[in-house]
Amino acid sequence: AQSVTQPDIHITVSEGASLELRCNYSYGATPYLFWYVQSPGQGLQLLLKYFSGDTLVQGIKGFEAEFKRSQSSFNLRKPSVHWSDAAEYFCAVGAIQAGTALIFGKGTTLSVSS
Amino acid sequence: EPEVTQTPSHQVTQMGQEVILRCVPISNHLYFYWYRQILGQKVEFLVSFYNNEISEKSEIFDDQFSVERPDGSNFTLKIRSTKLEDSAMYFCASSDLTGRQETQYFGPGTRLLVL
Repeated sequence: AQSVTQPDIHITVSEGASLELRCNYSYGATPYLFWYVQSPGQGLQLLLKYFSGDTLVQGIKGFEAEFKRSQSSFNLRKPSVHWSDAAEYFCAVGAIQAGTALIFGKGTTLSVSS
Repeated sequence: EPEVTQTPSHQVTQMGQEVILRCVPISNHLYFYWYRQILGQKVEFLVSFYNNEISEKSEIFDDQFSVERPDGSNFTLKIRSTKLEDSAMYFCASSDLTGRQETQYFGPGTRLLVL
């Protein structure tokens, strides 16, 4: 079955500390992987995506993610978290073919403490 | 930067009523989608639309749901007879196809409450 697992429902980090949000996927075809962020009352904003090539991808707001095929993982990282990063983060997997569904994880809520 | 827009932002309706949720996709995009997120649950795919046809739909997208592109800019989701369990945030998304890489861009959502 195709699925995305985000094992951490809620994470709290101190401002300035590093962050890693975990994502594991199960997908029958070549996976295209995405991280989206949702701030309260807002829609889903694309942070970064992986299609092929370099397994370390850079995104907006200083985020990066690393694709590890052997571990079926696509973890999101940020070296130094800012208070404005507090939001819900969703990992998603999709297929190469346009018009197909993205499969989302349940999301990880990030809180930032001062 | 072009954005997907959705109206209304919030809608409250009575069970059994019809609702139409509206979306304006990014202007040069060709593929359109609806997703929903029930409170506390994951974002779920409903339907995708291309060239005036449904491209793919999920089990959720039953006969109560329909989609339409009534003109060159709008993309609508209609729920014919709403149920309590239709209460959710509904997201519209659109994408183009750059090379072979598709990225879906999401709107801010419409929060639907069925009473």
